[in-house]
Amino acid sequence: QKEVEQDPGPLSVPEGAIVSLNCTYSNSAFQYFMWYRQYSRKGPELLMYTYSSGNKEDGRFTAQVDKSSKYISLFIRDSQPSDSATYLCAMKGQAGTALIFGKGTTLSVSS
Amino acid sequence: DSGVTQTPKHLITATGQRVTLRCSPRSGDLSVYWYQQSLDQGLQFLIQYYNGEERAKGNILERFSAQQFPDLHSELNLSSLELGDSALYFCASSVGVSQETQYFGPGTRLLVL
Repeated sequence: QKEVEQDPGPLSVPEGAIVSLNCTYSNSAFQYFMWYRQYSRKGPELLMYTYSSGNKEDGRFTAQVDKSSKYISLFIRDSQPSDSATYLCAMKGQAGTALIFGKGTTLSVSS
Repeated sequence: DSGVTQTPKHLITATGQRVTLRCSPRSGDLSVYWYQQSLDQGLQFLIQYYNGEERAKGNILERFSAQQFPDLHSELNLSSLELGDSALYFCASSVGVSQETQYFGPGTRLLVL
């Protein structure tokens, strides 16, 4: 079993839809959870950063962490064509441990 | 723009050759990380340097090496290149050593023929 699992998609939605992106993980030591957005032929861009369990909201983006289920989510409200990208979840344990990435979910938002 | 710069953007070379990729971190960041991204493996951590010292190693092959210089820029050296080394190579940087919030550069696309 891989440490981090992420459905590669592709996920296609119409403009204005609510998008839900998810990752599951197996390592209970993970404490730090991030979501990165990567446009084609660009570097990953940090979107959201959460420590431990709970929710975090930033504009149209909400990140949720459920450590009991080893499950994290990213919700995008009022999705826009500019949100079309690959979304990578990433997580790590204590200081000094490496950041582990999911393989990414490709999202396409059509106008 | 993350503030992390990488050169070159593209590199085409032959099997058996050696190449050097260069990275300049964001101003004030002391840690530099190198990643390899391929379609089948996703984004894989290779190595981290903090203030000139190696801090963490991931799935880095023995044919690959890196260093961080006193001005904090870093170089990733790839030698005896194989077809399977074709990938995107990203550099990221962070302020501290603990890796939580990393900012990525635009990447170097390496093609080995």
